[in-house]
Amino acid sequence: NAGVTQTPKFQVLKTGQSMTLQCAQDMNHNSMYWYRQDPGMGLRLIYYSASEGTTDKGEVPNGYNVSRLNKREFSLRLESAAPSQTSVYFCASSEWVSNEQFFGPGTRLTVL
Amino acid sequence: GENVEQHPSTLSVQEGDSAVIKCTYSDSASNYFPWYKQELGKRPQLIIDIRSNVGEKKDQRIAVTLNKTAKHFSLHITETQPEDSAVYFCAASNFGGSNYKLTFGKGTLLTVNP
Repeated sequence: NAGVTQTPKFQVLKTGQSMTLQCAQDMNHNSMYWYRQDPGMGLRLIYYSASEGTTDKGEVPNGYNVSRLNKREFSLRLESAAPSQTSVYFCASSEWVSNEQFFGPGTRLTVL
Repeated sequence: GENVEQHPSTLSVQEGDSAVIKCTYSDSASNYFPWYKQELGKRPQLIIDIRSNVGEKKDQRIAVTLNKTAKHFSLHITETQPEDSAVYFCAASNFGGSNYKLTFGKGTLLTVNP
């Protein structure tokens, strides 16, 4: 099992460009999450999907959109990137029974 | 919503000493409290968790305690080793309700000096 995978690993964008971060899990988990990690700020929830077909805003949703494509895949889109979105982005998934979240390897995004 | 405060933000100990990291939470409905370890450049990984019907849980050199009345919980690492050096995050959740979110603290950078 690959667990949680994310693409790309690194990305550099110019202000105003758009991109989609991809996340997939092969653990048959119901819930999936997108976080951003900035120095000294911990892990902040951007959006989450408690189950296939549902998405909800987290703590810092502005400037982002998400799509729960199917049970396995949860993508994060930046429509018009801004320097404030420079961060490391982590996707995670969990099962309702245990609630342990399994994280992907992260995407390091720089917006110039 | 839930708010989790974590202290200290940095902690430096000598190898073999104990380390304690403390967190407080605001939502009395929270009932699940995990701790994650993140090594430099790696993903966060769960190391131990506790639910609100338990006051203490141990796993080898790691233990977590929970005081529901005071709304705080702590991570204790005994006989620290250099490989314990990492950032540790506490989190809280109302597990089993309609909310599947974890709210994380801002992290503690633990450095174990040989």
